[in-house]
Amino acid sequence: TQLLEQSPQFLSIQEGENLTVYCNSSSVFSSLQWYRQEPGEGPVLLVTVVTGGEVKKLKRLTFQFGDARKDSSLHITAAQPGDTGLYLCAGDGGGSNYQLIWGAGTKLIIKP
Amino acid sequence: NAGVTQTPKFRILKIGQSMTLQCTQDMNHNYMYWYRQDPGMGLKLIYYSVGAGITDKGEVPNGYNVSRSTTEDFPLRLELAAPSQTSVYFCASSSGTGGTNYGYTFGSGTRLTVV
Repeated sequence: TQLLEQSPQFLSIQEGENLTVYCNSSSVFSSLQWYRQEPGEGPVLLVTVVTGGEVKKLKRLTFQFGDARKDSSLHITAAQPGDTGLYLCAGDGGGSNYQLIWGAGTKLIIKP
Repeated sequence: NAGVTQTPKFRILKIGQSMTLQCTQDMNHNYMYWYRQDPGMGLKLIYYSVGAGITDKGEVPNGYNVSRSTTEDFPLRLELAAPSQTSVYFCASSSGTGGTNYGYTFGSGTRLTVV
C-alpha cells in the first residue's frame, strides 16, 4: 500500500519567517502535486512535479521533487498571512485510472 | 469558466434519509472522483469514473452509489444516511491524458451532517 506522510501536521509562525513542509514515502511516484485548501473551499492545485530532482518556483513558494521520486518539499520564503491554509501533497502511483495517493495535510497559520 | 460545480453547499439529514449530491464539470474531463474529508484524516476516495458509463469503487464505498450517464455529471447517492457519513464531500475531475496526472480540479464541497 502506498502512503504519503506529511510533516509537520501543524505549523504556526510569524509573518516574514521561512518554513518548509515535507512529503515523504517509501514508494516511487510518477508525479507529485501540491494543493492549498482554504476553509470552506476545495483544494486548489499549486504545482505538479514530474522529474526526479525537479525544482519549481511559484512566487515565494519553491517545490522540489526528490531525486528518487519518493519525496517532495515545499519551502515558503517570507511567509505572508495570505499563505495560511491546509497544504496537501498527492502522488500519482501511475495507475491507468489516475488515482492519487493523498497526504493528511499540513495546517499552516501565518500570524501578522 | 465554472470548472466543477457541486450542490448543495450544506445539508442536514436525519438518520435513514437519502439524498443525492450533485456534481457537474464543464471541462470535458473524462475522469471524475468523489472524496470525503474528515478532520485530520485527509481525503478518502469513495468512487471514481473513467468515462461515461464506467464507475468503480474507491477506498470507502459502503453506503454510497454513483452513476455516470454523461461526461459532465457524476452524482453521488447516499442511501439510509448514518451518523458516520457526516463529513465534507468533494467532487473532482481530471483530464487524465498523456499518461501523466497533472492535477485535479475540485468543487467547493458539500458539508453534510447526519443527525
